[in-house]
Parts: sequence; C-alpha cells; structure tokens
Amino acid sequence: GAVVSQHPSRVICKSGTSVKIECRSLDFQATTMFWYRQFPKKSLMLMATSNEGSKATYEQGVEKDKFLINHASLTLSTLTVTSAHPEDSSFYICSARDILAGGQAGELFFGEGSRLTVL
Amino acid sequence: KQEVTQIPAALSVPEGENLVLNCSFTDSAIYNLQWFRQDPGKGLTSLLLIQSSQREQTSGRLNASLDKSSGRSTLYIAASQPGDSATYLCAVNPTAGGTSYGKLTFGQGTILTVHP
Repeated sequence: GAVVSQHPSRVICKSGTSVKIECRSLDFQATTMFWYRQFPKKSLMLMATSNEGSKATYEQGVEKDKFLINHASLTLSTLTVTSAHPEDSSFYICSARDILAGGQAGELFFGEGSRLTVL
Repeated sequence: KQEVTQIPAALSVPEGENLVLNCSFTDSAIYNLQWFRQDPGKGLTSLLLIQSSQREQTSGRLNASLDKSSGRSTLYIAASQPGDSATYLCAVNPTAGGTSYGKLTFGQGTILTVHP
C-alpha cells in the first residue's frame, strides 16, 4: 500500500531555534498534503493544507509566519517551526492525498508523526 | 463548523468482551468517515473507511456502521484482546470537490484498555 514517511520522528531543540519536518509520499505523487498538530491527550487539529507549486492555506488561528510550509515537489512537503518555543512542543502528523487511489476524490495516507520537544 | 464527538472518552474491559465505540458529528454533509487506531506516541493506523453512501464496513473483528442522516457512527470490536488497547479516533471528511476534501475533522478519541 501507499506509504507516507515523516522525518525526523523525534526532535529536541532549544528555544529560539527553527526545526524542519519533512513529509514524503514514497510511491505516489501528492499534489496536496495536510499538516496536523496533536497536543498531549488531545485530538488532531488541522493546521494547514500544503499545495504543490503554490502557497499553503492555513486554518484559522494558525500563524503562517510561525509554521512555514513548502511543497516544492510532488512527493515532498516540509513544515518549518520557526523560532520554536516550549508551547510549540507537540506531535505533528502529515497526510498525503493520492488522487489515483480510492475512487473519485482519492485516498488519504498518514505519516508516522514527528514529536517536537522545545526546551 | 463540523464537530465530532466520541463517547466514551475511556473504556476498560476484560479480554474477550465485545464492545462498541461511538462517534457523532454535527454536519451530515460528509464524503466519508474513517476510524483510526493510535498507539501511544505513534501515528495513525487506518482501520475502516465508510463512504457516505455505505451503511457499514467490516474487517476481521471490526465492524463500523454509519448513519449519515443522524450523524452517527459506531465501531464494534468483537472478542477484544489486550493487543486492541489503544486510542481509537474517528474522523469525517467533507464533501468531495472544491478545496475541502482531505481536511479531516477528528474526534477526541476513545482510550481503550483491554486487560487479560
């Protein structure tokens, strides 16, 4: 089946530094990817939609200058948490849409997630 | 705005019991509904996906039903095992087309513990 890979799976950084998380579709092309955030013992909240070749669209309340998203190719989207602070510590998960699978609208596949800890 | 609620928040059962997890959503204009499993510190494993035109889906000991008009779905787990212990999430996918497809709204999950 289709696979979505996230890297790194875990990252610890100092406050004020920037961290980049990658989301790759390994065996399909994904024009659209989605980034979610999960707080401890909470559900997943959609942060933004990553569109290949164009700007990402952000959900209400998500700071686009804080969470930079780049979707430079059909298999890679990156999320950069800029000037990270402890409150940015969270579990970040991406999903990718395979438009050639699962019927009319395509099928969604999720990455394994990346746990960010900001000290 | 779509809201998804899961009941109960936590459930503890002895091994071998059959159990039902509930999911309700406020906006019935959905394309599909999906049940996921999440182990601690891990990503999501898709269990079952039900299209809006379907009533149920089955996979092994799992059966998911969907009543779109009433905004409800249930996940039935038969003969539960300790290995079933995890958080179970349901998520709804907006109507296909436009820019909304793929923007899942998740419930807060049900933490299931199956003890030997």
